[in-house]
Amino acid sequence: GAGVSQTPSNKVTEKGKYVELRCDPISGHTALYWYRQSLGQGPEFLIYFQGTGAADDSGLPNDRFFAVRPEGSVSTLKIQRTERGDSAVYLCASSRTGVSGANVLTFGAGSRLTVL
Amino acid sequence: AQSVTQLGSHVSVSEGALVLLRCNYSSSVPPYLFWYVQYPNQGLQLLLKYTSAATLVKGINGFEAEFKKSETSFHLTKPSAHMSDAAEYFCAVSETGRRALTFGSGTRLQVQP
Repeated sequence: GAGVSQTPSNKVTEKGKYVELRCDPISGHTALYWYRQSLGQGPEFLIYFQGTGAADDSGLPNDRFFAVRPEGSVSTLKIQRTERGDSAVYLCASSRTGVSGANVLTFGAGSRLTVL
Repeated sequence: AQSVTQLGSHVSVSEGALVLLRCNYSSSVPPYLFWYVQYPNQGLQLLLKYTSAATLVKGINGFEAEFKKSETSFHLTKPSAHMSDAAEYFCAVSETGRRALTFGSGTRLQVQP
């Protein structure tokens, strides 16, 4: 596609529920990134995929968070047993390759998650 | 470990005035540095990036930034602010060998008429 697409744009859920957030990267981009942006903060790195594999998941806060990218394109961020502190905007980005730290990331508009 | 500090969470300037947004980085190796802008309800957009080719980097919309190794700074400037520049600006750093960007906490720019 022309840009990075994220769905849903808004998600309201109750504490303890399971949530999936989807990211459709730019066609041909092999690297995909998930970030979390809390109110008044900069984006915080969660996980980075190179192709189908998670090359760096050091930013995932705990084992309630999991992400997959089974075919090397679309990715899903999964959050189990949601907590109020998980409320944030979840940003997805992609880049042509992940080889160089100089690669430019193209971001989606984000999925705003609210946990009541 | 790399980190980014943006001094001033809010900056207000008059239309036509100089814009200066500050960014200092901490990195154990020569970094790559980026400035992104975020308009309300939109994704982050790249303004400019430094990759060691030149210390003065020109970006979109009249913005530029200068890499100063001695000061570990990468401040963003624009000679004359427009109302359309009102947005949140993020400085980010990455290091060779680490693919993910580390972002600062952001600076919200307000432009007064």
